[in-house]
Amino acid sequence: ELKVEQNPLFLSMQEGKNYTIYCNYSTTSDRLYWYRQDPGKSLESLFVLLSNGAVKQEGRLMASLDTKARLSTLHITAAVHDLSATYFCAVDTSGSRLTFGEGTQLTVNP
Amino acid sequence: DAGVTQSPTHLIKTRGQHVTLRCSPISGHKSVSWYQQVLGQGPQFIFQYYEKEERGRGNFPDRFSARQFPNYSSELNVNALLLGDSALYLCASQTWLAGGRGNEQFFGPGTRLTVL
Repeated sequence: ELKVEQNPLFLSMQEGKNYTIYCNYSTTSDRLYWYRQDPGKSLESLFVLLSNGAVKQEGRLMASLDTKARLSTLHITAAVHDLSATYFCAVDTSGSRLTFGEGTQLTVNP
Repeated sequence: DAGVTQSPTHLIKTRGQHVTLRCSPISGHKSVSWYQQVLGQGPQFIFQYYEKEERGRGNFPDRFSARQFPNYSSELNVNALLLGDSALYLCASQTWLAGGRGNEQFFGPGTRLTVL
């Protein structure tokens, strides 16, 4: 059974600081997704990572994928309050289902 | 272009009742998946349908069922509701790639189900 683990589960950081969220998974996969979820809302797609070594950046967020280590990271640069949300990684092993991590609840404080 | 739409937005039911949730995919998407997200957890896969056929089923009891219609919209049915069925139910649609696997999934706004 595929397991997807995120850490940390809770992250409180100051504006302007950098931090990294980690996503480990237990089975070979060539597709990994990062989503953002605001309270009471649906999932917003942030990144799609399709191959080993893939790196994508959007604004203050950068995601990478190492399929050999079964690890993806979401790096936050110079955090701002608007980034406060819950971030999920999700692994796609067959195109038929996504297995999500537990989520990382990020709070950015002034 | 319209994204994935779901109805209703919110729903309150009592234990033992039945509920039907509806989803319309993005135009041109022939596959729909359903996920359950309990408060404080990540979404859990329930079903996937492609071309009106079930392509995958998660670890949910038989009280949960779904179907896909010729226009690719979908319904999720839950019988004999339990308190633990209270959750956000998300529908996602996707195109299908050659070789028999789905492409990126796009999520709808969800239906918030509360079971009292």
